[in-house]
Amino acid sequence: DVKVTQSSRYLVKRTGEKVFLECVQDMDHENMFWYRQDPGLGLRLIYFSYDVKMKEKGDIPEGYSVSREKKERFSLILESASTNQTSMYLCASRTTGGTGLNSPLHFGNGTRLTVT
Amino acid sequence: AQSVTQPDIHITVSEGASLELRCNYSYGATPYLFWYVQSPGQGLQLLLKYFSGDTLVQGIKGFEAEFKRSQSSFNLRKPSVHWSDAAEYFCAVALYGGSQGNLIFGKGTKLSVKP
Repeated sequence: DVKVTQSSRYLVKRTGEKVFLECVQDMDHENMFWYRQDPGLGLRLIYFSYDVKMKEKGDIPEGYSVSREKKERFSLILESASTNQTSMYLCASRTTGGTGLNSPLHFGNGTRLTVT
Repeated sequence: AQSVTQPDIHITVSEGASLELRCNYSYGATPYLFWYVQSPGQGLQLLLKYFSGDTLVQGIKGFEAEFKRSQSSFNLRKPSVHWSDAAEYFCAVALYGGSQGNLIFGKGTKLSVKP
């Protein structure tokens, strides 16, 4: 079974801090994603990576960056955390297999980040 | 632009009653459609998916969904709801494109189950 592990379930950080959210998958998936989930807004894509060292901006990349140095690990970085980045962050991975579109996303359990 | 609409933000049903969660999509080509469920404090889990073929698809936990092209809908159903089905449900459509694709999610429907 695919396992996507997010290193922290809860994080509390101060405004202006640099924050790292880590995600590791164990199934050699090519694609990895970072979403942000807020009540009433659903899931919004921040960044995704279709392979090692590859990344593309999603719908709301401002204030975030990502790193994918190894295939299994995809990190989300908040360069200078702000209170409006308080949210639930979800990581997901997917194999490409052909077009990749028929492969479902596998999600981690999320990291709830509070910025004070 | 592609979009997914879940018209119901919150639904409450009695345990044992039937359930239908609505999903409408806007997409020019043949869609790839998914339903995910999120239990409190958890990530999302795939319930079922549709790519082609039989328009009625079966998923896990007794759920099914029917693709209706004429109505641009992919509604999720369950004949008899259990208390453990209380969760948030997300419909999603996969985009086809050179960037390996991406899912567009609806905003979710929260399901409450009355004893």
